[in-house]
Amino acid sequence: GENVEQHPSTLSVQEGDSAVIKCTYSDSASNYFPWYKQELGKRPQLIIDIRSNVGEKKDQRIAVTLNKTAKHFSLHITETQPEDSAVYFCAASKKGSGNTPLVFGKGTRLSVIA
Amino acid sequence: DAGITQSPRHKVTETGTPVTLRCHQTENHRYMYWYRQDPGHGLRLIHYSYGVKDTDKGEVSDGYSVSRSKTEDFLLTLESATSSQTSVYFCAISVDPGYEQYFGPGTRLTVT
Repeated sequence: GENVEQHPSTLSVQEGDSAVIKCTYSDSASNYFPWYKQELGKRPQLIIDIRSNVGEKKDQRIAVTLNKTAKHFSLHITETQPEDSAVYFCAASKKGSGNTPLVFGKGTRLSVIA
Repeated sequence: DAGITQSPRHKVTETGTPVTLRCHQTENHRYMYWYRQDPGHGLRLIHYSYGVKDTDKGEVSDGYSVSRSKTEDFLLTLESATSSQTSVYFCAISVDPGYEQYFGPGTRLTVT
């Protein structure tokens, strides 16, 4: 089955700097890659996702890139702000391939230092 | 937030007692999931459902059972709670595994 590895497990950046979180996946048939943000004491919420027919997607200060050949995808946050401090999870799944659920990485705790 | 509620939101129970957590959705999504979240382990899938009466195990299903008799409700039961089941439990829903999952607010369970 699918295995998703996420790095780093913790990340500290200065406010205004960029942050990059990387994930690798094992199943080359995976075609959907979402990223979730979980603030302290809250539920995980989707912030951006990408499908395998797209190499990059941007939404204001966040972007996700996908390299299907290398089977890895990354989350990029530019001009970080204190409110970006949270735990971020990547995940992978296959649309249209039965009932196999999303497989999550173990998360990255991002701290933005003011 | 999508129409997902979890009950109870907090519960303290003693070792050996049965516990049932409820997830209720108003979105008519086919798929429902139960996760537990513990420090250092991320989100671990316990069980999931792909339709009424259709369920399957996740990676940490031992000690847990589920039932789904209606589209909108997915129940998680701990037959005999143990201290290792102290955790935060999240329910989630989706229209398909290849689409966004929406998470419920979570239930904090403490087993003493």
